[in-house]
Amino acid sequence: GIQVEQSPPDLILQEGANSTLRCNFSDSVNNLQWFHQNPWGQLINLFYIPSGTKQNGRLSATTVATERYSLLYISSSQTTDSGVYFCAVSRPRGGGSNYKLTFGKGTLLTVNP
Amino acid sequence: DVKVTQSSRYLVKRTGEKVFLECVQDMDHENMFWYRQDPGLGLRLIYFSYDVKMKEKGDIPEGYSVSREKKERFSLILESASTNQTSMYLCASRSPGGYQETQYFGPGTRLLVL
Repeated sequence: GIQVEQSPPDLILQEGANSTLRCNFSDSVNNLQWFHQNPWGQLINLFYIPSGTKQNGRLSATTVATERYSLLYISSSQTTDSGVYFCAVSRPRGGGSNYKLTFGKGTLLTVNP
Repeated sequence: DVKVTQSSRYLVKRTGEKVFLECVQDMDHENMFWYRQDPGLGLRLIYFSYDVKMKEKGDIPEGYSVSREKKERFSLILESASTNQTSMYLCASRSPGGYQETQYFGPGTRLLVL
């Protein structure tokens, strides 16, 4: 199956700093999503971004599908940004299975005040 | 707002017990998913359902079964719980594809099997 690697595994920042999280995937994808899991376990979708660039407030994401990677940018980080960031992908295939997401192992972000 | 609820936040069961985890979504989504999350392993798909009474195995279905009798409800069943099924279980439903596809997650159930 498709492999998803995220880096770095852990990241510690001071409030106000910027950061870049990376997601590499081993095959072509038709679906790529970024999620944030807060310290209480709730997962929230941040972006659906199989290609191109999107921005939402202090967060933005870029996926270069031809080179099989995606980047999540967090600017002016806040303590509420702490948690685990997951990248998840799925490959184009027929039938009912083309929306099964494969998740990376995540990046644990800690933002200190 | 889409709401996905799970029947329990914390659950403690004994080895060999039959365990039911329930998930309900309120957005009439056709697709629903069960994942388990373990430290260092990320989320792994157990089963998913693409419509009522329709299901497909995910990556780690062994030891689990599912039931989808109504569109809004997707149940995960541990037929005979074992200690290696101690984990965080997450349910999700999927909005239709297109420009903004999203999976919406429930709050999770932390299951401890003694």
